Amino acid sequence: GAVVSQHPSRVICKSGTSVKIECRSLDFQATTMFWYRQFPKQSLMLMATSNEGSKATYEQGVEKDKFLINHASLTLSTLTVTSAHPEDSSFYICSARTSRVADTQYFGPGTRLTVL
Amino acid sequence: GESVGLHLPTLSVQEGDNSIINCAYSNSASDYFIWYKQESGKGPQFIIDIRSNMDKRQGQRVTVLLNKTVKHLSLQIAATQPGDSAVYFCAENIKTDKLIFGTGTRLQVFP
Repeated sequence: GAVVSQHPSRVICKSGTSVKIECRSLDFQATTMFWYRQFPKQSLMLMATSNEGSKATYEQGVEKDKFLINHASLTLSTLTVTSAHPEDSSFYICSARTSRVADTQYFGPGTRLTVL
Repeated sequence: GESVGLHLPTLSVQEGDNSIINCAYSNSASDYFIWYKQESGKGPQFIIDIRSNMDKRQGQRVTVLLNKTVKHLSLQIAATQPGDSAVYFCAENIKTDKLIFGTGTRLQVFP
């Protein structure tokens, strides 16, 4: 159980375009989802926390107008990278947490974004 | 400030040996710790967790030890196998509803 999926797994886009990444909890309801980014050979850095039906809470230094997060249902959260630039190229990973297991986060497989 | 760090960026072990991966944390208010395994190009995979009211927890081939006195966390892998090769992250929860990840240790298993 506790499977989280992400789509797409890889995406290449041109600079200036927008990219949407989906995160789904497949076998549980996720009251909270988290979005992380990870640069090569580095650790995961939390970008934002989203609770179903409410606005996301962004970490310091993360532009909320650039990284749009929507958590419209208990099984789906989306991250849209708007007007992407090469420096946005990274590995984006989501995680989900249920209210039944208060602290454990289950991670998706990640999405590799490359902006040309 | 808050930080979770690892002493060894790379650990090389021979297949069949035991592995010990260490992690230091700085926030004494942390109440929950997790070890994750991340293979190349994949998301982190939950391995084992421990709460601050415990000092040891065992899973299948893995043991996590928590020493709150010196703010130290370790992951022990028994009879390390080639499939254990990955980057291992410790993470702490400090009641802020967020996880803070350490810098990671790469485990390399040689035949």
